[in-house]
Amino acid sequence: NAGVTQTPKFQVLKTGQSMTLQCAQDMNHNSMYWYRQDPGMGLRLIYYSASEGTTDKGEVPNGYNVSRLNKREFSLRLESAAPSQTSVYFCASSSQASYGYTFGSGTRLTVV
Amino acid sequence: GDSVTQMEGPVTLSEEAFLTINCTYTATGYPSLFWYVQYPGEGLQLLLKATKADDKGSNKGFEATYRKETTSFHLEKGSVQVSDSAVYFCALSGAGNNRKLIWGLGTSLAVNP
Repeated sequence: NAGVTQTPKFQVLKTGQSMTLQCAQDMNHNSMYWYRQDPGMGLRLIYYSASEGTTDKGEVPNGYNVSRLNKREFSLRLESAAPSQTSVYFCASSSQASYGYTFGSGTRLTVV
Repeated sequence: GDSVTQMEGPVTLSEEAFLTINCTYTATGYPSLFWYVQYPGEGLQLLLKATKADDKGSNKGFEATYRKETTSFHLEKGSVQVSDSAVYFCALSGAGNNRKLIWGLGTSLAVNP
């Protein structure tokens, strides 16, 4: 089925470890986004990529890096995980925002 | 800047009750407006949208009308079911070239049998 695929679905890290969250979409969308979702905080934008080859910071970029590998794939990297990065991470894509976003099913990350 | 304000939850209703979740916005220009739903343990799904004033979006028995005069996009359903228990997010497409979605904080709905 067409959509946004995120891997892994669950991950436990120790403080200081690094990891990359993967996201791929097969809808030929130009724009891709990484959000984190925390209780009572709604969705907060970490980074986004308006088109292949470009990336920009969102509201909460500190501690993260991203790579727009090609039009399909947009990865999120935690270089040195901290307990404050315990969250649910969502990737989304869109052809343009006024059409809405398609979301992946999320990655539940715990940093201990 | 652009913003979205949703009524705070949680909202608890009995099955077959009428649902209203309020959403108001501030925005420059003429944004598109959206309602997304997030079922437990899942990602967000687009529920409905409206792209211009007086448009009514509808899906799965839910409706919302784009009211420019009151800058509102309230979500309604005439008779909720237990399966409607979820978190509902209101959003608008912001201004500017990148036109990112601007999100409300979400409203949790619990429907009891």
